[in-house]
Amino acid sequence: DVKVTQSSRYLVKRTGEKVFLECVQDMDHENMFWYRQDPGLGLRLIYFSYDVKMKEKGDIPEGYSVSREKKERFSLILESASTNQTSMYLCASTWDRWNYGYTFGSGTRLTVV
Amino acid sequence: QKEVEQNSGPLSVPEGAIASLNCTYSDRGSQSFFWYRQYSGKSPELIMFIYSNGDKEDGRFTAQLNKASQYVSLLIRDSQPSDSATYLCASYSGGGADGLTFGKGTHLIIQP
Repeated sequence: DVKVTQSSRYLVKRTGEKVFLECVQDMDHENMFWYRQDPGLGLRLIYFSYDVKMKEKGDIPEGYSVSREKKERFSLILESASTNQTSMYLCASTWDRWNYGYTFGSGTRLTVV
Repeated sequence: QKEVEQNSGPLSVPEGAIASLNCTYSDRGSQSFFWYRQYSGKSPELIMFIYSNGDKEDGRFTAQLNKASQYVSLLIRDSQPSDSATYLCASYSGGGADGLTFGKGTHLIIQP
């Protein structure tokens, strides 16, 4: 089975800190995604990448950046954490968006205080 | 703006009955559709995908797609308490390296 691993399950950070969320997949998938999930708002796409060193903005990229230096790793960076970035962050990967949907990581629940 | 709409529920179904979950989408260019199950506090897991009009069956699950009506549904036969979860519908429009568009999910409760 494809495994998507997010480095932290729970994280508490202070306002203004730079925060790194790490995601690693083990199945040589081209496509990787970062979503955040909030009650009443559902899953919203932050950034995605379809190749090493490639990145594309999703629907809500403000306040975030990403890095993909290696195919298996896709990092989400909160440049200066704010309380409105408190959320569940979900990483996903897929080989073929058309046919196979995503495999999600277990998620990182980030609290910014 | 691509949108996927679902009734948030909760949808309550007795054990052993058929649960019917529905979803509509706004983008006529959507090509494939996915159903995810999400237990409370967990990440979504893929149940089924469908891209042709009609029905697709996998065990107790049947996905139905009607592109003319822009409608997708998921039927769960012989519902079990373990099916209690939030079900997310998602669409993929293709034509570029963009992500899935998700609905906000339907909360399903199977009553023993």
